[in-house]
Amino acid sequence: AQTVTQSQPEMSVQEAETVTLSCTYDTSESDYYLFWYKQPPSRQMILVIRQEAYKQQNATENRFSVNFQKAAKSFSLKISDSQLGDAAMYFCAYRRRGGGDMRFGAGTRLTVKP
Amino acid sequence: SQTIHQWPATLVQPVGSPLSLECTVEGTSNPNLYWYRQAAGRGLQLLFYSVGIGQISSEVPQNLSASRPQDRQFILSSKKLLLSDSGFYLCAWSVRGDREAFFGQGTRLTVV
Repeated sequence: AQTVTQSQPEMSVQEAETVTLSCTYDTSESDYYLFWYKQPPSRQMILVIRQEAYKQQNATENRFSVNFQKAAKSFSLKISDSQLGDAAMYFCAYRRRGGGDMRFGAGTRLTVKP
Repeated sequence: SQTIHQWPATLVQPVGSPLSLECTVEGTSNPNLYWYRQAAGRGLQLLFYSVGIGQISSEVPQNLSASRPQDRQFILSSKKLLLSDSGFYLCAWSVRGDREAFFGQGTRLTVV
């Protein structure tokens, strides 16, 4: 079974600074997807960024980027120029290609200090 | 465009009462559908997922059941609620063979 581990229950960052959230996963599959979701206080789950395992290039979405290390099974999220609106729970997720279920980590609560 | 509706948003139910949470998706066909539970301050636990009408996979033995009576309808049920069933329940969908899941607004269930 695939598992996703987020080892940082809480993180904090100063506004305008950069923060990196960690995620590792375990799978025997070679083709899969990885995601970062954001859950603000409203509890709505919002997709932040996705990465296809077959792509070596790290995904980037504006201030959000990932460091995908396939051999190490590591998938970290970097948030640059942090904003107060970035404060939320962040979840790392895994899904094998072809569909089926998605697996989530336990989440990291990010606090942004003004 | 695709949308997902989940209701009710909040629910307070006594122990031993039945439960029915409904989720519907619009704007797509043959979606994969999911029910997750999120305990306070914790991650998402996959409860059920479905790849088609009448096809339900259960992740953990529990007091809950799921049904998919129509292609874009997914229902989470219980005959008798337990205190431990309290939590935040999220419905989600994804295009079969596609990548990310899209989530509903969630239902906060409190069993008293």
